[in-house]
Amino acid sequence: DGGITQSPKYLFRKEGQNVTLSCEQNLNHDAMYWYRQDPGQGLRLIYYSQIVNDFQKGDIAEGYSVSREKKESFPLTVTSAQKNPTAFYLCASSIVRQGNTPLHFGNGTRLTVT
Amino acid sequence: QKEVEQNSGPLSVPEGAIASLNCTYSDRVSQSFFWYRQYSGKSPELIMSIYSNGDKEDGRFTAQLNKASQYVSLLIRDSQPSDSATYLCAVNMRMREGSQGNLIFGKGTKLSVKP
Repeated sequence: DGGITQSPKYLFRKEGQNVTLSCEQNLNHDAMYWYRQDPGQGLRLIYYSQIVNDFQKGDIAEGYSVSREKKESFPLTVTSAQKNPTAFYLCASSIVRQGNTPLHFGNGTRLTVT
Repeated sequence: QKEVEQNSGPLSVPEGAIASLNCTYSDRVSQSFFWYRQYSGKSPELIMSIYSNGDKEDGRFTAQLNKASQYVSLLIRDSQPSDSATYLCAVNMRMREGSQGNLIFGKGTKLSVKP
């Protein structure tokens, strides 16, 4: 079955450590996205990518980095520069990066930094 | 400031009733509107998309769009306890002139359907 796989489901890290969240899709979608969700908040866009080897900052990119070396993969690194990293992270994809195509989400990674 | 506003709720309805969820948005040129359902601790799942003024029905769900009023709603008929979730409204908005736009999400409305 086609879909988006995020791993791990839960991740615990000590403050000051970088951590990488995995996102893989087999939907053959061109565009991929990373969102962050905090309790009682809407989804906020961190980074997005329309094609391989290209990505753009979203609304809250500071303290995060991404790469898009393969169409299927869009890993997110949460660096030690991110001041409040504890959150629910959602990876999504769409056929193309156009406003009329909906996003499909992975199951999310819940990151806790202490 | 590009915004999508939703009443946070909780909205409580009895089983079998109609649940009405509302959303307003700030960008009058927005063309694409989506409703997602998110169960507690889970990721959002798409339940409706609407692009033209009027109503769009899919099973027990009806999306209503009024671009002049910058208003989109979701009606859930014959509400079931399994419909209890947070419903997110998402609107495509251009952040800059000429850009393709990003999906902007509201904070969601929590719906509780009581047996």
